[in-house]
Amino acid sequence: GQNIDQPTEMTATEGAIVQINCTYQTSGFNGLFWYQQHAGEAPTFLSYNVLDGLEEKGRFSSFLSRSKGYSYLLLKELQMKDSASYLCAVRDGRDDKIIFGKGTRLHILP
Amino acid sequence: DAEITQSPRHKITETGRQVTLACHQTWNHNNMFWYRQDLGHGLRLIHYSYGVQDTNKGEVSDGYSVSRSNTEDLPLTLESAASSQTSVYFCASSPQSQGDQFFGPGTRLTVL
Repeated sequence: GQNIDQPTEMTATEGAIVQINCTYQTSGFNGLFWYQQHAGEAPTFLSYNVLDGLEEKGRFSSFLSRSKGYSYLLLKELQMKDSASYLCAVRDGRDDKIIFGKGTRLHILP
Repeated sequence: DAEITQSPRHKITETGRQVTLACHQTWNHNNMFWYRQDLGHGLRLIHYSYGVQDTNKGEVSDGYSVSRSNTEDLPLTLESAASSQTSVYFCASSPQSQGDQFFGPGTRLTVL
């Protein structure tokens, strides 16, 4: 089965950098996703990692270590609009299902 | 533009009634998914389909059913609604075996 852990809540200051960690245990792995979800809205895709290393996309970067079952999402130059929940999700390599963690609620302070 | 839609966006029903939530996508994606999202649980997979006539149970499938008669639609049916099924329901689709999931806007269901 799958088990995905991420912090429940985090707080950071506008303009700063924040790192949201995600650890997973899986019997089959075929990629890790990060999604952003604003309150009352649908999740939207941020990043996808299938190989080890860092993927950078503007202010957001995502890192994966498959041997450690570990990923992080790095948000730079934080803006108030980054206040949202960030969902870590793993694709099961056996049946292509995507299993989500419970999400990290990020609060940005001015 | 291709999109994924859900209807209704809000629904209030009574315990014991049958309810069907619609999901329609115009991307021609083979894979479609239904999730429910509750505080403290995150997104949990209810049912999923990898193509026409294919349906599979997710981790919280009891009390729900789906059917896939064409590529575009995956309706979710609650056979006999229960208060425990009060939740926000998201439909999603993805290309076969590749890519991320695109989510619909969600349906907020309240069972009284």
